[in-house]
Amino acid sequence: AQSVTQPDIHITVSEGASLELRCNYSYGATPYLFWYVQSPGQGLQLLLKYFSGDTLVQGIKGFEAEFKRSQSSFNLRKPSVHWSDAAEYFCAVGGRYGGSQGNLIFGKGTKLSVKP
Amino acid sequence: NAGVTQTPKFRVLKTGQSMTLLCAQDMNHEYMYWYRQDPGMGLRLIHYSVGEGTTAKGEVPDGYNVSRLKKQNFLLGLESAAPSQTSVYFCASSYDSPAGEAFFGQGTRLTVV
Repeated sequence: AQSVTQPDIHITVSEGASLELRCNYSYGATPYLFWYVQSPGQGLQLLLKYFSGDTLVQGIKGFEAEFKRSQSSFNLRKPSVHWSDAAEYFCAVGGRYGGSQGNLIFGKGTKLSVKP
Repeated sequence: NAGVTQTPKFRVLKTGQSMTLLCAQDMNHEYMYWYRQDPGMGLRLIHYSVGEGTTAKGEVPDGYNVSRLKKQNFLLGLESAAPSQTSVYFCASSYDSPAGEAFFGQGTRLTVV
């Protein structure tokens, strides 16, 4: 069965500091991996996605993520955080096989706070 | 371009009442989803659809029904609302699954008293 674990419920970083949000997944075949961001009172917006090719993917707003198959991880990074990055971040996994097509599963989210 | 539109945005129900949440997308997407979001639980998939006339159960389908009679619309029904269904409901759609980006609506905040 597909599952996503985001170990950190809440992270606080200083503005200008680097950021890494962790995501571990479980899926039997090649996963499709996503990071979404949710600002307060809003829906979710896609930051980036991975399903093949280069394991380091670039997204919007200066975010990147690295797929590590051996560690079943897809961590999100940003070299320098801005106050506007304060939001909740969700990792998600999807698949095409084993009846999983159409079933996009989300982690529980990591809330990011940014200190001035 | 409206994207994904959810109706209504807010609703208060009494226990035992029924209601239907409407999701409409204008992007000609095949795949549509209903999620609920609860504090500390992330988004949990209720039901989804891989095309017009199809529906499938997600992670937490009990107490909900769905219909996809038209490609652009995905309805979520609560036949007999319970306080445990108090949540924020999000609809999403994508042109492909899972490779396609899922576009989300703004959410419906439902309170069952």
